[in-house]
Amino acid sequence: GENVEQHPSTLSVQEGDSAVIKCTYSDSASNYFPWYKQELGKRPQLIIDIRSNVGEKKDQRIAVTLNKTAKHFSLHITETQPEDSAVYFCAATHPTSNTGKLIFGQGTTLQVKP
Amino acid sequence: GAGVSQSPSNKVTEKGKDVELRCDPISGHTALYWYRQSLGQGLEFLIYFQGNSAPDKSGLPSDRFSAERTGGSVSTLTIQRTQQEDSAVYLCASYQTSGFYEQYFGPGTRLTVT
Repeated sequence: GENVEQHPSTLSVQEGDSAVIKCTYSDSASNYFPWYKQELGKRPQLIIDIRSNVGEKKDQRIAVTLNKTAKHFSLHITETQPEDSAVYFCAATHPTSNTGKLIFGQGTTLQVKP
Repeated sequence: GAGVSQSPSNKVTEKGKDVELRCDPISGHTALYWYRQSLGQGLEFLIYFQGNSAPDKSGLPSDRFSAERTGGSVSTLTIQRTQQEDSAVYLCASYQTSGFYEQYFGPGTRLTVT
């Protein structure tokens, strides 16, 4: 089955700097890669996702890149702000397969220092 | 429309008692997950329902845990003979298995076993 590894487990950056979180996956059939943000005491919420037919997707200050050959994908946050502080989870799945289970990484705690 | 709802929001129970946690997914969502999240930890997969397929129970930590999904909608997670290590937030999530794959999380049930 799919296995997703996420690094680093914690990341501290200065406000305005960029943050990068990386994930690797094992199942080459996976074709959908979402990123979730979980603020303290709240539920995880989708912030961006990418499908395997594209290599990069941007939404304002956040972007995700996908390297299918190397089976890794990354979240990039530019011009970080204190409100970006949260736990970020990557995930991988093949949603329409018989085992279309979403497999999450272990999470990265991002702290943005003002 | 209404999101994923869970009840109760908080549950305190004595060790050895049974508890039932309820999840109401978004109407029309055919896939439903249960996760467990201990304090400061990641999302531990418990069980996955997809349409009429047999549920994927591979994440259930022991035979004290069980779940059912009646009529393809509401799901109940039951923990028998609760132990202190069962204390955690139990999150439910649902998504549509065609079209958009965003997984929507409920607010969670915080279970405390004393």
